[in-house]
Amino acid sequence: SAVISQKPSRDICQRGTSLTIQCQVDSQVTMMFWYRQQPGQSLTLIATANQGSEATYESGFVIDKFPISRPNLTFSTLTVSNMSPEDSSIYLCSVAPGAGASGANVLTFGAGSRLTVL
Amino acid sequence: AQTVTQSQPEMSVQEAETVTLSCTYDTSESDYYLFWYKQPPSRQMILVIRQEAYKQQNATENRFSVNFQKAAKSFSLKISDSQLGDAAMYFCAYRSALYNFNKFYFGSGTKLNVKP
Repeated sequence: SAVISQKPSRDICQRGTSLTIQCQVDSQVTMMFWYRQQPGQSLTLIATANQGSEATYESGFVIDKFPISRPNLTFSTLTVSNMSPEDSSIYLCSVAPGAGASGANVLTFGAGSRLTVL
Repeated sequence: AQTVTQSQPEMSVQEAETVTLSCTYDTSESDYYLFWYKQPPSRQMILVIRQEAYKQQNATENRFSVNFQKAAKSFSLKISDSQLGDAAMYFCAYRSALYNFNKFYFGSGTKLNVKP
């Protein structure tokens, strides 16, 4: 299965600033996914990062707040812009090698980035 | 949209004993996949087990097995011979096999404590 490196692993940020999270995969993948896990809660999909096209955002998430880059098939970044304390969460990068309708489409996750916004 | 419900926020089990975590889901689709993921305190989400809805046989992975009841839309995880390393958050997840099949729906999680 794919190995995902995500950084930073954690950071403490000031209100109003922006932070970019990087996600590196050890193999080429078509789609990369960004999830948010708020304290004590489940995972919510923010967006799907597609190489060569704009990211696809889920309801409730917008590009101005969470801009995403996908310059190649092994790398993506998620920026959390103009942060507020409500953005304090774990942000998880994931991939689904062999993406498609078949059962091969199983999510593999990075270790996550824990952001605390003061 | 599909929903996944885990009604047990937290559970405890004695080491070497068996515990069952519950999961129910709501869908109108007939073909889908169900998953259990484990998230230890280190945060790395790990796939525990996967079940294809078209298979009647329950999936098994070593000490982990599921009880898949399609009609009841229930997908419980049984952990046998519990070990200290099983302590983690467990998330049940659903994925369609037909539509928007890159989107996973996660339950709210069950925190499993393992007592020595």
